[in-house]
Amino acid sequence: AQSVTQLDSHVSVSEGTPVLLRCNYSSSYSPSLFWYVQHPNKGLQLLLKYTSAATLVKGINGFEAEFKKSETSFHLTKPSAHMSDAAEYFCVVSYYGNNRLAFGKGNQVVVIP
Amino acid sequence: DAGVTQSPTHLIKTRGQQVTLRCSPKSGHDTVSWYQQALGQGPQFIFQYYEEEERQRGNFPDRFSGHQFPNYSSELNVNALLLGDSALYLCASSLGISGELFFGEGSRLTVL
Repeated sequence: AQSVTQLDSHVSVSEGTPVLLRCNYSSSYSPSLFWYVQHPNKGLQLLLKYTSAATLVKGINGFEAEFKKSETSFHLTKPSAHMSDAAEYFCVVSYYGNNRLAFGKGNQVVVIP
Repeated sequence: DAGVTQSPTHLIKTRGQQVTLRCSPKSGHDTVSWYQQALGQGPQFIFQYYEEEERQRGNFPDRFSGHQFPNYSSELNVNALLLGDSALYLCASSLGISGELFFGEGSRLTVL
C-alpha cells in the first residue's frame, strides 16, 4: 500500500523566514505526489504536483517541492513565509495513476509576525 | 463558474440515525469522489463514482453508500451512525477518474 509520512504535526515559522515541510512516501513504483493546502473553513486547494516530469516542481504562492527518489522524499519549501501561509498542509500520493488519493496526517503551519 | 458545492454545511445527528450528504460537481466534471476527514487527521478516501457506478472504494463499512445521478451530482449516505462518524465529509470532482481533483468546502457532521 502506498502511504506518506509527515513529521512535525505543528510547525511555527516567523514571517519572512523559510518554510520547510517534510514528506516521505512509500510506494512500490514511481508515484504521483501532491501537496494540498487547507485554510480554516475552506476546501482543499492543490499547491503543486509531481507526475514523473521535472523533479523540482513549482507551485502556487511561491511554494516548490523536490522529488528525490533515492530518499523517497517530496519536501515542500518556500523561501519567505507570509502571514497568509498559515494553514494546514497535506502531502498526498495517488494510487495507480488515477486520482484516488492517500493523504498524510498534515502539518499545521503557524506564522509568527 | 461554480466550483464543487456541498450541502448541508453543518448538521447534527444522534447515534443510530441515518444521514444523506449532497454534492454538485464543478461544471464539466463527470466523476465524484468522497473523503472523510476526522478532526486532526488527513482525509481518507471513501469511494468514487463515475458513470453512475461505484468505481473504487476505500476501507469503509457497508453503512457508507452512495449514488451518482445522470447530472453527475452525488449523494453520500451513512446508516446507523456511530459517534466515530463525526467528521468533515469532503466531495471532490474531476473529469474522468484520472483528472485533477477539485474539492468542495465540506459537510461537517456531528454525531451525538
